[in-house]
Amino acid sequence: AQSVTQPDIHITVSEGASLELRCNYSYGATPYLFWYVQSPGQGLQLLLKYFSGDTLVQGIKGFEAEFKRSQSSFNLRKPSVHWSDAAEYFCAVGGNTGNQFYFGTGTSLTVIP
Amino acid sequence: NAGVTQTPKFQVLKTGQSMTLQCAQDMNHEYMSWYRQDPGMGLRLIHYSVGAGITDQGEVPNGYNVSRSTTEDFPLRLLSAAPSQTSVYFCASTRDSSYEQYFGPGTRLTVT
Repeated sequence: AQSVTQPDIHITVSEGASLELRCNYSYGATPYLFWYVQSPGQGLQLLLKYFSGDTLVQGIKGFEAEFKRSQSSFNLRKPSVHWSDAAEYFCAVGGNTGNQFYFGTGTSLTVIP
Repeated sequence: NAGVTQTPKFQVLKTGQSMTLQCAQDMNHEYMSWYRQDPGMGLRLIHYSVGAGITDQGEVPNGYNVSRSTTEDFPLRLLSAAPSQTSVYFCASTRDSSYEQYFGPGTRLTVT
């Protein structure tokens, strides 16, 4: 069965510190992997995606993620967090049909000055 | 280019009432989806469509109907609202070649 696990419900980091948000997936075929960010009261915005090729992908706002097939993981990282990064982050997996995506339960990020 | 629009933004219903959540996109995307977001549950797929006239069920379709008469519009109907349908509803359209989803701003629905 397809599923996404985000083990950290809530993370607090200091501004300027590095960040890693974990994502593990279960998918029966070659996965397409995504990270989305949701600011309070807003819809979701795509940060980055992985389909194939280089396993380290760069996204918007200075985020990157690394696909590790052996660990079924797609962790999101940022070297230096800004206060504006405080938001909810969702990992998602889908296939190449483009019509069904499975989301994790999200990780809420708090940034302290 | 408005992207994905949803109306209304907020709605309160009584148990048993019906309503339609509207969703429209102006990007000519074939794929569109409806999700509900509940605390601690993430986003769960209700229904999706791969093009005009074609719809299918997602993870949690019970209590909801959809139709897709045009590429632009994908309304979600609640036939007889129940308190369990209290949630935030998001519509999304998918850019065909990249599978990138564009989300609307959401509709917050409360059923009393």
